[in-house]
Amino acid sequence: GAVVSQHPSRVICKSGTSVKIECRSLDFQATTMFWYRQFPKQSLMLMATSNEGSKATYEQGVEKDKFLINHASLTLSTLTVTSAHPEDSSFYICSARVYLTGTDTQYFGPGTRLTVL
Amino acid sequence: KNQVEQSPQSLIILEGKNCTLQCNYTVSPFSNLRWYKQDTGRGPVSLTIMTFSENTKSNGRYTATLDADTKQSSLHITASQLSDSASYICVVSARTGTASKLTFGTGTRLQVTL
Repeated sequence: GAVVSQHPSRVICKSGTSVKIECRSLDFQATTMFWYRQFPKQSLMLMATSNEGSKATYEQGVEKDKFLINHASLTLSTLTVTSAHPEDSSFYICSARVYLTGTDTQYFGPGTRLTVL
Repeated sequence: KNQVEQSPQSLIILEGKNCTLQCNYTVSPFSNLRWYKQDTGRGPVSLTIMTFSENTKSNGRYTATLDADTKQSSLHITASQLSDSASYICVVSARTGTASKLTFGTGTRLQVTL
């Protein structure tokens, strides 16, 4: 199946700094990638939809100026958490959409654990 | 509002035993239903996918069922192993034009013990 990677897998940063997370589709091209956030013992919550070559679409309640998304190529989307605060500590997961036999499927990355001190 | 509910929230079983996880959904227009396994600290991995016309799908020791009339699905795990310990997430896809929107259940945390 399609493989999606994320880098880094874990990051610890100080409050006020910015952190960039990369999401790559390794063996396929993805015009659309998604960014999710998952808090402990909760399900994935969609933050934004990243479209190659255009602006991301953010879900209600997600600050676009705080969570900057760039989808500059068909295999790479980045999420930058700007001026991170402890409440931004979470597990961030990306996915890439693939169209197979008329059905679109999302393949998920392994996630990035962000801890803001 | 599209919703996916899973039960039980958590489950502890002995190695070698079977178990069944439940998923009820109200998602429209329904496109497909997937079960994912998510190990702690990892991303979800797809186990099965079923469309409206399919009522059962197997993947090794995992068997998923779908009743589109009652909007229920189950995931049956046979002869459980310690490595089955994980969260199992039911995800229902609603078709919106050429794309689809996913609604995630909150998951069932399964712990398999000796």
